[in-house]
Amino acid sequence: NAGVTQTPKFRILKIGQSMTLQCTQDMNHNYMYWYRQDPGMGLKLIYYSVGAGITDKGEVPNGYNVSRSTTEDFPLRLELAAPSQTSVYFCASLRLAEPHNEQFFGPGTRLTVL
Amino acid sequence: LAKTTQPISMDSYEGQEVNITCSHNNIATNDYITWYQQFPSQGPRFIIQGYKTKVTNEVASLFIPADRKSSTLSLPRVSLSDTAVYYCLVGDDTGGFKTIFGAGTRLFVKA
Repeated sequence: NAGVTQTPKFRILKIGQSMTLQCTQDMNHNYMYWYRQDPGMGLKLIYYSVGAGITDKGEVPNGYNVSRSTTEDFPLRLELAAPSQTSVYFCASLRLAEPHNEQFFGPGTRLTVL
Repeated sequence: LAKTTQPISMDSYEGQEVNITCSHNNIATNDYITWYQQFPSQGPRFIIQGYKTKVTNEVASLFIPADRKSSTLSLPRVSLSDTAVYYCLVGDDTGGFKTIFGAGTRLFVKA
């Protein structure tokens, strides 16, 4: 299994541009998450999904949109990029199983908005 | 979702045991306690999860007192490679598995 994959690894955007961060998992997990991590800070939840067709806002959803048309894919859309969205973005999926539930994270996308 | 409080940073030396305590005073009956580790430029990875008393695996132990208002992650005989940020999470499945990471504890292991 490849686990959770994210593309691109790096991206530089100009203010006002848009882009989609891709996230795919091959573990057949229903729950998926998008986080952002600013330098020296913890992770903040942007959006999450409990299954195909179902998404919900996290702590910091403004400026972002998501969709979940399949179990495998959970893309994050940035519209009208702003410097405040400069961050590292992590996608994760959740395995529900005994003896414990566990999130698996992708390698991250480092985004700079200039 | 229960709020968690952890020390911002800790220092240790190689070979020592490190204990990181997390406070979660408003933990709910259905909540589990989970710890993740994050190295620079990587996503977090699961370390250990527990509900009460003590849980041990190949990398760490988790101690949870009877009132469950705090928990302690214990790392035995740390090495330089244990330098990382450690996150304590509290939650259950009633919120659709919505998970909140706090700021975490930065552990520096010195030679």
